Amino acid sequence: DAGVIQSPRHEVTEMGQEVTLRCKPISGHDYLFWYRQTMMRGLELLIYFNNNVPIDDSGMPEDRFSAKMPNASFSTLKIQPSEPRDSAVYFCASSSWYNEQFFGPGTRLTVL
Amino acid sequence: GESVGLHLPTLSVQEGDNSIINCAYSNSASDYFIWYKQESGKGPQFIIDIRSNMDKRQGQRVTVLLNKTVKHLSLQIAATQPGDSAVYFCAERRNNAGNMLTFGGGTRLMVKP
Repeated sequence: DAGVIQSPRHEVTEMGQEVTLRCKPISGHDYLFWYRQTMMRGLELLIYFNNNVPIDDSGMPEDRFSAKMPNASFSTLKIQPSEPRDSAVYFCASSSWYNEQFFGPGTRLTVL
Repeated sequence: GESVGLHLPTLSVQEGDNSIINCAYSNSASDYFIWYKQESGKGPQFIIDIRSNMDKRQGQRVTVLLNKTVKHLSLQIAATQPGDSAVYFCAERRNNAGNMLTFGGGTRLMVKP
């Protein structure tokens, strides 16, 4: 298995632009998590899905952030409009119930 | 001005020595714990886990100890190698919080050759 796949690995955009981050979880995993990591706040859970259904989105910072999981093998995290304070590394992770989460390599987002 | 960020505690050890990284968790209802290793520019990587019905679990060169009385978790790395240099995170799953993990702030391990 290739592990959790994320794209793009790096994204540089200008304030106000829409950003879409993509994730392909490990096949067979029914949980998918989106995290954000910054020096200021460490690793924060944004949202997680179970069987493609959002279960807890209490970590999503504001309405500019949205996440979808149209099928078991794909999820997106969208920021519209983006702001400089959104600059961070965004990780996607997947797991099966009550087992460890496997993390992707992350997307480093820079908003100018 | 200079931004204020998380100040990661740092553990510096000599190559070949044993390392002990500690973590205090917050919730007595947590029933599953994981240690992750994160190298620069990479995602967190699973090292070892332990469930709350255990006190100790061993892997290859790593041992996790769980003390539920004082809500303390530790990761012991035997014969530390330069490749062990990374940030180490503990994470807990609270048994009333679905499948979510709560991560600690991390400890930076630096291995001196």
